[in-house]
Amino acid sequence: AQSVTQPDIHITVSEGASLELRCNYSYGATPYLFWYVQSPGQGLQLLLKYFSGDTLVQGIKGFEAEFKRSQSSFNLRKPSVHWSDAAEYFCAVGPPGGYQKVTFGTGTKLQVIP
Amino acid sequence: DAGVIQSPRHEVTEMGQEVTLRCKPISGHNSLFWYRQTMMRGLELLIYFNNNVPIDDSGMPEDRFSAKMPNASFSTLKIQPSEPRDSAVYFCASSSTGASGNGELFFGEGSRLTVL
Repeated sequence: AQSVTQPDIHITVSEGASLELRCNYSYGATPYLFWYVQSPGQGLQLLLKYFSGDTLVQGIKGFEAEFKRSQSSFNLRKPSVHWSDAAEYFCAVGPPGGYQKVTFGTGTKLQVIP
Repeated sequence: DAGVIQSPRHEVTEMGQEVTLRCKPISGHNSLFWYRQTMMRGLELLIYFNNNVPIDDSGMPEDRFSAKMPNASFSTLKIQPSEPRDSAVYFCASSSTGASGNGELFFGEGSRLTVL
């Protein structure tokens, strides 16, 4: 069965500092991997996705993520955090083709301090 | 383009009442998902449909919950009777799966349900 682990429940960073959010997955083959962001009172919005090919993927709002098969990880990064990045971030894994259900991690809440 | 549209945005009801949540997916999407989000359990998949057919309802917590998708542009999630533990934010999401899509989920803004 597929699963996702986000080990950090809550992270606080200073504005302008770099950010890395961790995500580890369990899946029998190479899955589809996603990062979503949820602002308060809103639905989830896709930041970026990995299906195949280049293991470093670029997303919206200056985010990137790197797929590391050997570590079963798909960590999200941003070189310089803005106050508007404060939100909750969800990593998700799904089987190739997208027919079946996507499994979400428990989320990491990001706080940005001035 | 319109995104996924959910109604109502907020619902407050009393225990034992019937609750119906509605969702209009993005036009052209062939898969629809109902999720529930709570502080304790995070984001849980309740049920998903592909081409209007329920594929997996293993996440539906109990028989009080039911979901329908009578056509490609409308789905409902019904709770009858409602209980306080059903209080949560319910999200609908749609996607285009198969050869023409990649499974990316597009979420609505959610329906916040409070059962007193």
